[in-house]
Amino acid sequence: GQQVMQIPQYQHVQEGEDFTTYCNSSTTLSNIQWYKQRPGGHPVFLIQLVKSGEVKKQKRLTFQFGEAKKNSSLHITATQTTDVGTYFCAGPLVAGNMLTFGGGTRLMVKP
Amino acid sequence: KAGVTQTPRYLIKTRGQQVTLSCSPISGHRSVSWYQQTPGQGLQFLFEYFSETQRNKGNFPGRFSGRQFSNSRSEMNVSTLELGDSALYLCASSLGSGSMHNEQFFGPGTRLTVL
Repeated sequence: GQQVMQIPQYQHVQEGEDFTTYCNSSTTLSNIQWYKQRPGGHPVFLIQLVKSGEVKKQKRLTFQFGEAKKNSSLHITATQTTDVGTYFCAGPLVAGNMLTFGGGTRLMVKP
Repeated sequence: KAGVTQTPRYLIKTRGQQVTLSCSPISGHRSVSWYQQTPGQGLQFLFEYFSETQRNKGNFPGRFSGRQFSNSRSEMNVSTLELGDSALYLCASSLGSGSMHNEQFFGPGTRLTVL
């Protein structure tokens, strides 16, 4: 069925290394959103991408939306221990419909 | 502005019982969505309410139901609880309904344990 997939499921990095998580949708998305959930916390909205090929930056975080609007990525430069958490992408698989979340990528950072 | 609040935060029930969870959205938000989060299945969409009407429904059995009141507060109910219903239930509010206005603001969740 229609779904949103994320890889990798887990990632261990040494503090200072870069990190990337990838999100792929089975259908074209009108927009894609990214959320971060700290351990024991709840998902917190990071960003929304709308345009084909869009790239947005938030300090050390870079978000991209693919040209076909079916994939997206989140790249963190020089990870810090505060980056620890699970990163989810989410998009409406059917226009105007509810968000479908990817399975998330759990990032662990060794100090 | 106060964030999304959920009550209770923790709940322990036994199989066969029913439970009602409550969610108060951010003031001015008319859309409330409910999600079930488990380690194995991730974040699964339950339903969305907008202006007291159910707009979308996920793939959950009829034991899961919800409603929204005129002040946008929402409740979800699970009847005849099963062990597999143990999960974190998250409520999220947003300004509108539909793909372009649905930045979700999540509450802290209700941790339900079914024994």
